[in-house]
Amino acid sequence: AQSVSQHNHHVILSEAASLELGCNYSYGGTVNLFWYVQYPGQHLQLLLKYFSGDPLVKGIKGFEAEFIKSKFSFNLRKPSVQWSDTAEYFCAVNAGAGQGAQKLVFGQGTRLTINP
Amino acid sequence: EPEVTQTPSHQVTQMGQEVILRCVPISNHLYFYWYRQILGQKVEFLVSFYNNEISEKSEIFDDQFSVERPDGSNFTLKIRSTKLEDSAMYFCASSQDRAALYGYTFGSGTRLTVV
Repeated sequence: AQSVSQHNHHVILSEAASLELGCNYSYGGTVNLFWYVQYPGQHLQLLLKYFSGDPLVKGIKGFEAEFIKSKFSFNLRKPSVQWSDTAEYFCAVNAGAGQGAQKLVFGQGTRLTINP
Repeated sequence: EPEVTQTPSHQVTQMGQEVILRCVPISNHLYFYWYRQILGQKVEFLVSFYNNEISEKSEIFDDQFSVERPDGSNFTLKIRSTKLEDSAMYFCASSQDRAALYGYTFGSGTRLTVV
Protein backbone atom coordinates (compact mmCIF):
# COMPACT_ATOMS: atom_id res chain seq x y z
CA ALA A 1 0.00 0.00 0.00
CA GLN A 2 1.09 3.56 -0.61
CA SER A 3 2.28 5.72 2.26
CA VAL A 4 3.54 9.27 2.53
CA SER A 5 5.88 10.71 5.15
CA GLN A 6 6.36 14.37 5.92
CA HIS A 7 9.34 14.79 8.20
CA ASN A 8 8.63 18.23 9.57
CA HIS A 9 5.58 18.55 11.77
CA HIS A 10 5.93 22.23 12.54
CA VAL A 11 8.21 24.68 10.80
CA ILE A 12 8.68 28.25 11.98
CA LEU A 13 10.35 30.78 9.72
CA SER A 14 10.72 34.50 9.40
CA GLU A 15 9.46 36.35 6.37
CA ALA A 16 11.79 36.23 3.37
CA ALA A 17 13.40 33.00 4.55
CA SER A 18 13.65 30.11 2.14
CA LEU A 19 11.44 27.10 2.64
CA GLU A 20 11.84 23.42 1.98
CA LEU A 21 9.33 20.88 3.24
CA GLY A 22 10.25 17.25 2.93
CA CYS A 23 8.01 14.53 1.53
CA ASN A 24 8.83 10.89 0.88
CA TYR A 25 6.47 8.29 -0.44
CA SER A 26 6.43 4.55 -0.52
CA TYR A 27 5.07 2.83 -3.59
CA GLY A 28 6.70 0.55 -6.10
CA GLY A 29 4.88 1.62 -9.23
CA THR A 30 4.07 4.81 -11.08
CA VAL A 31 2.66 7.51 -8.84
CA ASN A 32 1.17 10.93 -9.22
CA LEU A 33 2.22 13.44 -6.57
CA PHE A 34 0.46 16.44 -5.11
CA TRP A 35 0.96 19.22 -2.62
CA TYR A 36 -2.11 20.74 -1.01
CA VAL A 37 -2.33 23.74 1.30
CA GLN A 38 -4.94 24.40 3.96
CA TYR A 39 -5.12 27.98 5.21
CA PRO A 40 -6.69 28.44 8.64
CA GLY A 41 -10.40 27.74 8.46
CA GLN A 42 -10.34 26.97 4.75
CA HIS A 43 -10.51 23.93 2.54
CA LEU A 44 -7.64 22.05 0.94
CA GLN A 45 -6.32 23.82 -2.13
CA LEU A 46 -4.05 22.37 -4.79
CA LEU A 47 -0.60 23.98 -4.86
CA LEU A 48 0.95 21.82 -7.55
CA LYS A 49 1.06 18.33 -8.94
CA TYR A 50 3.41 16.02 -10.79
CA PHE A 51 2.35 13.37 -13.26
CA SER A 52 5.22 13.05 -15.70
CA GLY A 53 7.82 15.07 -17.62
CA ASP A 54 10.01 17.75 -16.07
CA PRO A 55 10.61 16.67 -12.45
CA LEU A 56 10.69 20.30 -11.33
CA VAL A 57 7.12 21.52 -11.20
CA LYS A 58 5.95 25.03 -10.52
CA GLY A 59 2.74 25.77 -8.73
CA ILE A 60 0.75 28.69 -7.51
CA LYS A 61 1.97 31.43 -5.16
CA GLY A 62 5.65 30.90 -6.08
CA PHE A 63 5.87 27.33 -4.83
CA GLU A 64 7.74 24.60 -6.65
CA ALA A 65 8.53 20.96 -6.01
CA GLU A 66 11.09 18.53 -7.29
CA PHE A 67 10.38 14.89 -7.93
CA ILE A 68 13.45 12.72 -7.32
CA LYS A 69 12.49 9.20 -8.28
CA SER A 70 15.61 7.56 -6.87
CA LYS A 71 14.90 9.07 -3.46
CA PHE A 72 11.11 8.61 -3.59
CA SER A 73 10.90 12.28 -2.68
CA PHE A 74 8.79 15.26 -3.69
CA ASN A 75 9.98 18.19 -1.61
CA LEU A 76 8.21 21.53 -1.66
CA ARG A 77 10.21 24.73 -1.91
CA LYS A 78 9.74 28.45 -1.95
CA PRO A 79 12.67 30.87 -2.15
CA SER A 80 11.16 33.61 -0.03
CA VAL A 81 8.14 33.03 2.22
CA GLN A 82 5.54 35.57 3.24
CA TRP A 83 3.40 35.87 6.33
CA SER A 84 0.42 34.82 4.22
CA ASP A 85 2.04 31.42 3.64
CA THR A 86 1.16 30.44 7.20
CA ALA A 87 -0.88 27.28 6.72
CA GLU A 88 -0.85 23.50 6.88
CA TYR A 89 0.83 21.77 3.93
CA PHE A 90 0.01 18.26 2.84
CA CYS A 91 1.92 16.03 0.49
CA ALA A 92 -0.17 13.32 -1.18
CA VAL A 93 0.13 10.53 -3.69
CA ASN A 94 -2.38 8.69 -5.81
CA ALA A 95 -1.96 5.44 -7.61
CA GLY A 96 -3.86 2.31 -8.27
CA ALA A 97 -5.03 -0.09 -10.86
CA GLY A 98 -8.50 -0.82 -12.10
CA GLN A 99 -11.17 1.42 -13.52
CA GLY A 100 -12.45 3.12 -10.43
CA ALA A 101 -11.42 6.31 -8.74
CA GLN A 102 -7.85 6.67 -7.51
CA LYS A 103 -7.72 7.75 -3.90
CA LEU A 104 -5.29 10.24 -2.48
CA VAL A 105 -3.04 9.11 0.34
CA PHE A 106 -1.91 12.01 2.51
CA GLY A 107 1.11 12.64 4.64
CA GLN A 108 0.70 13.82 8.21
CA GLY A 109 0.93 17.46 7.20
CA THR A 110 3.41 20.18 8.09
CA ARG A 111 2.26 23.26 9.95
CA LEU A 112 4.11 26.29 8.66
CA THR A 113 4.22 29.43 10.76
CA ILE A 114 5.73 32.56 9.27
CA ASN A 115 6.67 35.31 11.69
CA PRO A 116 6.48 38.85 10.31
CA GLU B 1 -13.92 28.89 -10.05
CA PRO B 2 -16.18 25.87 -9.53
CA GLU B 3 -16.50 24.69 -5.96
CA VAL B 4 -17.43 21.58 -4.06
CA THR B 5 -20.13 22.54 -1.57
CA GLN B 6 -20.63 20.77 1.73
CA THR B 7 -23.47 21.12 4.20
CA PRO B 8 -23.75 21.58 7.08
CA SER B 9 -20.49 23.24 8.02
CA HIS B 10 -20.85 22.06 11.60
CA GLN B 11 -23.06 19.36 13.09
CA VAL B 12 -23.40 18.29 16.67
CA THR B 13 -25.10 14.99 17.31
CA GLN B 14 -25.68 12.63 20.17
CA MET B 15 -23.92 9.29 20.26
CA GLY B 16 -25.99 6.61 18.56
CA GLN B 17 -27.79 9.04 16.26
CA GLU B 18 -27.68 8.90 12.49
CA VAL B 19 -26.14 11.77 10.54
CA ILE B 20 -26.08 12.57 6.86
CA LEU B 21 -23.35 14.77 5.49
CA ARG B 22 -24.09 16.33 2.15
CA CYS B 23 -21.87 17.33 -0.72
CA VAL B 24 -22.46 18.83 -4.13
CA PRO B 25 -19.47 17.98 -6.33
CA ILE B 26 -18.44 19.97 -9.37
CA SER B 27 -20.98 19.29 -12.09
CA ASN B 28 -18.74 17.74 -14.74
CA HIS B 29 -16.74 15.62 -12.30
CA LEU B 30 -17.28 11.88 -12.34
CA TYR B 31 -15.27 10.65 -9.37
CA PHE B 32 -16.19 11.35 -5.78
CA TYR B 33 -14.50 10.86 -2.45
CA TRP B 34 -14.94 11.24 1.27
CA TYR B 35 -12.04 11.87 3.63
CA ARG B 36 -11.91 12.65 7.30
CA GLN B 37 -9.46 14.41 9.57
CA ILE B 38 -9.56 13.80 13.28
CA LEU B 39 -8.24 16.83 15.15
CA GLY B 40 -4.47 16.85 15.11
CA GLN B 41 -4.19 13.86 12.80
CA LYS B 42 -3.72 13.39 9.10
CA VAL B 43 -6.36 13.38 6.41
CA GLU B 44 -7.61 9.80 5.97
CA PHE B 45 -9.34 8.28 2.97
CA LEU B 46 -12.78 6.83 3.63
CA VAL B 47 -14.34 5.92 0.30
CA SER B 48 -14.29 6.60 -3.42
CA PHE B 49 -17.26 6.41 -5.77
CA TYR B 50 -17.63 6.16 -9.51
CA ASN B 51 -20.39 5.14 -11.87
CA ASN B 52 -22.87 4.82 -9.01
CA GLU B 53 -20.85 2.37 -7.05
CA ILE B 54 -18.06 2.31 -4.51
CA SER B 55 -14.62 2.01 -6.12
CA GLU B 56 -12.69 1.53 -2.93
CA LYS B 57 -13.23 1.84 0.78
CA SER B 58 -10.85 1.97 3.68
CA GLU B 59 -10.88 -0.08 6.87
CA ILE B 60 -12.51 2.89 8.58
CA PHE B 61 -15.50 2.64 6.27
CA ASP B 62 -17.30 -0.15 8.09
CA ASP B 63 -20.96 -1.15 8.06
CA GLN B 64 -22.06 1.98 9.88
CA PHE B 65 -21.02 4.12 6.91
CA SER B 66 -22.75 4.36 3.56
CA VAL B 67 -22.60 6.67 0.55
CA GLU B 68 -25.18 7.58 -2.01
CA ARG B 69 -25.63 9.76 -5.04
CA PRO B 70 -29.39 9.97 -4.91
CA ASP B 71 -30.17 12.54 -7.57
CA GLY B 72 -27.18 13.02 -9.86
CA SER B 73 -25.93 16.09 -8.05
CA ASN B 74 -25.70 15.36 -4.33
CA PHE B 75 -23.21 12.93 -2.86
CA THR B 76 -23.99 11.95 0.72
CA LEU B 77 -22.18 10.19 3.53
CA LYS B 78 -24.39 8.55 6.13
CA ILE B 79 -23.16 7.42 9.51
CA ARG B 80 -25.82 5.13 10.92
CA SER B 81 -25.04 5.11 14.62
CA THR B 82 -22.45 7.69 15.55
CA LYS B 83 -19.71 7.04 18.08
CA LEU B 84 -17.58 9.51 19.97
CA GLU B 85 -14.60 8.58 17.82
CA ASP B 86 -16.47 9.66 14.68
CA SER B 87 -15.91 13.26 15.74
CA ALA B 88 -13.80 14.73 12.96
CA MET B 89 -13.75 17.05 9.99
CA TYR B 90 -15.24 15.30 6.96
CA PHE B 91 -14.15 16.44 3.52
CA CYS B 92 -15.82 15.66 0.24
CA ALA B 93 -13.78 15.82 -2.96
CA SER B 94 -14.33 15.25 -6.64
CA SER B 95 -12.18 14.84 -9.73
CA GLN B 96 -12.81 14.98 -13.43
CA ASP B 97 -10.92 11.79 -14.23
CA ARG B 98 -9.73 8.82 -12.23
CA ALA B 99 -6.10 9.94 -12.03
CA ALA B 100 -7.08 13.52 -11.24
CA LEU B 101 -4.97 15.09 -13.97
CA TYR B 102 -6.51 18.42 -13.03
CA GLY B 103 -6.33 17.69 -9.31
CA TYR B 104 -8.93 16.87 -6.75
CA THR B 105 -11.25 19.65 -5.64
CA PHE B 106 -12.13 19.61 -1.98
CA GLY B 107 -15.08 21.09 -0.15
CA SER B 108 -14.73 23.22 2.97
CA GLY B 109 -15.64 20.30 5.19
CA THR B 110 -18.25 19.42 7.78
CA ARG B 111 -17.10 19.44 11.37
CA LEU B 112 -18.93 16.60 13.10
CA THR B 113 -19.01 16.61 16.88
CA VAL B 114 -20.47 13.56 18.61
CA VAL B 115 -21.40 14.10 22.24
